[in-house]
Amino acid sequence: GQNIDQPTEMTATEGAIVQINCTYQTSGFNGLFWYQQHAGEAPTFLSYNVLDGLEEKGRFSSFLSRSKGYSYLLLKELQMKDSASYLCAPMDSNYQLIWGAGTKLIIKP
Amino acid sequence: IAGITQAPTSQILAAGRRMTLRCTQDMRHNAMYWYRQDLGLGLRLIHYSNTAGTTGKGEVPDGYSVSRANTDDFPLTLASAVPSQTSVYFCASSAEGDYGANVLTFGAGSRLTVL
Repeated sequence: GQNIDQPTEMTATEGAIVQINCTYQTSGFNGLFWYQQHAGEAPTFLSYNVLDGLEEKGRFSSFLSRSKGYSYLLLKELQMKDSASYLCAPMDSNYQLIWGAGTKLIIKP
Repeated sequence: IAGITQAPTSQILAAGRRMTLRCTQDMRHNAMYWYRQDLGLGLRLIHYSNTAGTTGKGEVPDGYSVSRANTDDFPLTLASAVPSQTSVYFCASSAEGDYGANVLTFGAGSRLTVL
């Protein structure tokens, strides 16, 4: 079956760095997405990885290892506004996104 | 402002009633989707449409129907609502359906409570 595993909740301090891990099992693979979702709002796109390695985009970076079925999202210089849920979503062979339950990130001053 | 509009924002309805959630996009995206989001679960795909005139079933289609008469509109209908359909419903769209780098744009969501 298809499965996504990411921590339910994480806490970090403003200005610090946090890494949110995601492991996945899917039927085929066409890339992996990370979305950010603030409480009560819609998810918004953060990153897309289809090849192994690190993709950097400002304070956010995303890493993918296809052989290990593993990805992480790295957030640097944390700000209070980064408090949100982070959704890991690999895409299967039918181009359907398989969504994890999300990691709720709490930033403390 | 380009994007997706969903209506209603929130609705309470009695079990057994018929309900249509509306979704309109102005980005000329080919693909549209309906998801439900429940606490502790990932987004679950209800129905999708890769292009106007076609629709497909997602992971949890039972009790829901959709239509795609044109590019912009993708309404979701609950023929006879049940309490288990209490959820937050998100409509989304993307430029192409069967494509890898397929970034979704989401509407603001419709919170539905079935009593």
